[in-house]
Amino acid sequence: QVQMVQSGTEVKKPGASVKVSCKASGYTFTNYGISWVRQAPGQGPEWVGWISAYYGSTNYAQKFQGRVTLTTDTSTTTAYMELRNLRSDDTAVFYCVREAQDRSGSPVYFLHWGQGTPVIVSS
Amino acid sequence: DIQMTQSPSSLSASVGDRVTITCRASQSISNHLHWFQQKPGKAPKLLIYAASTLQSGVPSRFSGSGSGTEFTLTISSLQPEDFATYYCQQSYTTPRTFGGGTTVEIK
Repeated sequence: QVQMVQSGTEVKKPGASVKVSCKASGYTFTNYGISWVRQAPGQGPEWVGWISAYYGSTNYAQKFQGRVTLTTDTSTTTAYMELRNLRSDDTAVFYCVREAQDRSGSPVYFLHWGQGTPVIVSS
Repeated sequence: DIQMTQSPSSLSASVGDRVTITCRASQSISNHLHWFQQKPGKAPKLLIYAASTLQSGVPSRFSGSGSGTEFTLTISSLQPEDFATYYCQQSYTTPRTFGGGTTVEIK
């Protein structure tokens, strides 16, 4: 079965960087893209960006452009999200999500979610 | 960016009630609309994708409809385990965007 297992809670000071990992298993890693989603306390989910596990190409939400870098390591089937210059309003749970698509041209949907990684930004 | 607007933001209902949640997109998104259920401390769970396709393993009391800009999620007979927050999300274009959520509470 597909599993997306994320790294543990991070506590950072404002201005620092964080790198969250997402270990994928149960499928061919390079066949699917992975998105990252942020959810602040009491708020709805917010898309951070996407990476093709095959090509390594990326697409970032403008809000995070310049502060976020998504990467993958195909040898370990792990995806990473690095967020720099952390602010207190970055305090949130970050999820990696594996996409799915029934056939070419049909809607892409978020099927397999990691358990979430809490990132706490506090001085 | 495509804005997704859900209504209501919260509702109170009883076990056995029929519940309908609406999601409107700021522009046409065809059927690139998906519904998630989220419980406290857990990741969102996919219920419906492509507007009306029930994800495997999801009870048949959940259904989705709509196309273009207007979509609905219906729970035909609310069960105790359905009390949660529901989100719609579009994948027609990037950035992927979510609705603000609808919290279903026990009356």
